[in-house]
Amino acid sequence: NAGVTQTPKFQVLKTGQSMTLQCAQDMNHEYMSWYRQDPGMGLRLIHYSVGAGITDQGEVPNGYNVSRSTTEDFPLRLLSAAPSQTSVYFCASNSLDLGKDGYTFGSGTRLTVV
Amino acid sequence: AQSVTQPDIHITVSEGASLELRCNYSYGATPYLFWYVQSPGQGLQLLLKYFSGDTLVQGIKGFEAEFKRSQSSFNLRKPSVHWSDAAEYFCAAPTGANNLFFGTGTRLTVIP
Repeated sequence: NAGVTQTPKFQVLKTGQSMTLQCAQDMNHEYMSWYRQDPGMGLRLIHYSVGAGITDQGEVPNGYNVSRSTTEDFPLRLLSAAPSQTSVYFCASNSLDLGKDGYTFGSGTRLTVV
Repeated sequence: AQSVTQPDIHITVSEGASLELRCNYSYGATPYLFWYVQSPGQGLQLLLKYFSGDTLVQGIKGFEAEFKRSQSSFNLRKPSVHWSDAAEYFCAAPTGANNLFFGTGTRLTVIP
């Protein structure tokens, strides 16, 4: 089925470890984005991309890196995990024409940093 | 800045009662507006969206929302709530960069 695929679904990291959250979409959407969800704060934008080779910061970018080498993939890297990065992470994609497909979200990655 | 706000953090209703969840927006032009639902431990599911045209929008699971420009609101309604509607509900709207700005959410508890 077409959509956004996130891996892994669950992850536990130790403080200082690094890891990459994977996100892939097969809808040929130009836009991709990463959000984190914390209780009482809704979903907040971390980084986004408007096309291959183009990324930009969102509301809460510190501690995260992204790259977009292909249209399909948009990985999120934590270089040195901190307990404050314990959260649920969602990847999303959308086309330039919002009326066409709207936004498609992955199923999320629940990350715990101890 | 463009934004949406959800004034109610938590709402409790009895099963079978009607429901209205509030969402206020702050945009210059007519915005696109979305409502999402998230059941515990699950991802986001789109309930409905408003782009233009008819201000009363029908969604899935018996939900509807009405866009009211005069009140800057896009409230979500359901005439009769079911226990399975217990979840968290998010109002959202695109920013200038086409990313979604989410409200902080309203948690719905349904009493049998």
